[in-house]
Amino acid sequence: DTGVSQDPRHKITKRGQNVTFRCDPISEHNRLYWYRQTLGQGPEFLTYFQNEAQLEKSRLLSDRFSAERPKGSFSTLEIQRTEQGDSAMYLCASSLDLRQGELEAFFGQGTRLTVV
Amino acid sequence: DQQVKQNSPSLSVQEGRISILNCDYTNSMFDYFLWYKKYPAEGPTFLISISSIKDKNEDGRFTVFLNKSAKHLSLHIVPSQPGDSAVYFCAALNTGNQFYFGTGTSLTVIP
Repeated sequence: DTGVSQDPRHKITKRGQNVTFRCDPISEHNRLYWYRQTLGQGPEFLTYFQNEAQLEKSRLLSDRFSAERPKGSFSTLEIQRTEQGDSAMYLCASSLDLRQGELEAFFGQGTRLTVV
Repeated sequence: DQQVKQNSPSLSVQEGRISILNCDYTNSMFDYFLWYKKYPAEGPTFLISISSIKDKNEDGRFTVFLNKSAKHLSLHIVPSQPGDSAVYFCAALNTGNQFYFGTGTSLTVIP
C-alpha cells in the first residue's frame, strides 16, 4: 500500500465552477477525514466518515460542499459554485478506529485548489 | 475558537542542540495528542503521540511531554538535525475522534 493518495494534486478553476477531489485511503482504514488548510493556519476539520457513514460535519462545510464515501473505500469532496475564499489545500487522512490500536491518522499530500 | 494553540510561529536552533516546541490547549475533554511534521507542498507526517493517561512518550530523538493540569504539551527533539527543519503541528483528539490542530511552528535547524 502506498499510503493515502489524493487526486488531483493541483486544481485551478474559475469562480463559479464546480470541482471534485478524490481521496483513496489506506486500504484497511475504516475512518476517512477531510481537512482544509490555508496559509499560516493549521488544518481545519471539514468532515469524517466511518466506513460509508458520514458521522460529523464541520460548520465550515457550507451547503456548497458535499462529501461522499459510497462504498466505504475512496471518498470524493465536491465544491459547487466555487468562490475565491475556497482557495486552500484540501487534505485527506485515514486511520483505523482511533479508539482501537494505533492512534494516528495518515495524511495524503493534499489537493491545492486555486480559484481565480 | 482556537482550541489548540502554538504561540511560537517560528523557532531557530543550532544543529545538535535541543528543539522545544510548545502547544497549549483549552478543552479538558481532549484525551489524546499528536505531533505532525509538514514539509511544503506535502501532507502532514505523523511523528509521535501521547495519551492523557501518560505524561511522557519517547521515540528516538523525539519526546513528547504532557502537563494536563497546565493543559500544555511540548515536543523535544534532541539532537536537532537540519533535516528536522519543517513546520510542526500539534493536534488534539476529543471523544468524537475529531482532530483539532494548532497553527504550527516553523522550525529551522541551522547547520
